[in-house]
Amino acid sequence: AQSVTQLGSHVSVSEGALVLLRCNYSSSVPPYLFWYVQYPNQGLQLLLKYTSAATLVKGINGFEAEFKKSETSFHLTKPSAHMSDAAEYFCAVTTNTGRRALTFGSGTRLQVQP
Amino acid sequence: EPEVTQTPSHQVTQMGQEVILRCVPISNHLYFYWYRQILGQKVEFLVSFYNNEISEKSEIFDDQFSVERPDGSNFTLKIRSTKLEDSAMYFCASTGREETYGYTFGSGTRLTVV
Repeated sequence: AQSVTQLGSHVSVSEGALVLLRCNYSSSVPPYLFWYVQYPNQGLQLLLKYTSAATLVKGINGFEAEFKKSETSFHLTKPSAHMSDAAEYFCAVTTNTGRRALTFGSGTRLQVQP
Repeated sequence: EPEVTQTPSHQVTQMGQEVILRCVPISNHLYFYWYRQILGQKVEFLVSFYNNEISEKSEIFDDQFSVERPDGSNFTLKIRSTKLEDSAMYFCASTGREETYGYTFGSGTRLTVV
């Protein structure tokens, strides 16, 4: 079975500062990893995904994430936060064997201070 | 950009009533999913559907739940006798042939059981 742990339920940064949202996964087989963003009262929008190609994945809105197998991590970063980045961010994992549905982390709410 | 469409966006129902949540997945997608998100909590997998049958379900998906693809476009989730704890946001998602390569989510249906 796979699982995801997101460290920090709330993260607050200043506008223009680095954004770092942490995600660690557990999987007995090679994982596929995803980051989704959820704006208030909206659905889940895919930011980026890792599917065993390049370990550094670039997504939309200037976000990127790096798959580190040795650390079982898939942290999300953005060099400079914008007010519009304020949202809930979910890391998710699946594999191509066993349960194929996404398993989500608990989410991290990002606040961006002016 | 193709979308997954969910209706209604909000539904209020009395405890014990049946509700049907509707989804129109992306037309060439093959795998269909329902997830739910209780307010303030993580997104949880309910059920996946492939080739006109359930391919996987979670422990949440008990006998009060059922899914159906009544025609070539709609995918429905029925809750037979709603309980207060069924109040949640319900998300439909679909993926293409490579199911682990990307899940497109709908905007969700907020179900409130009173």
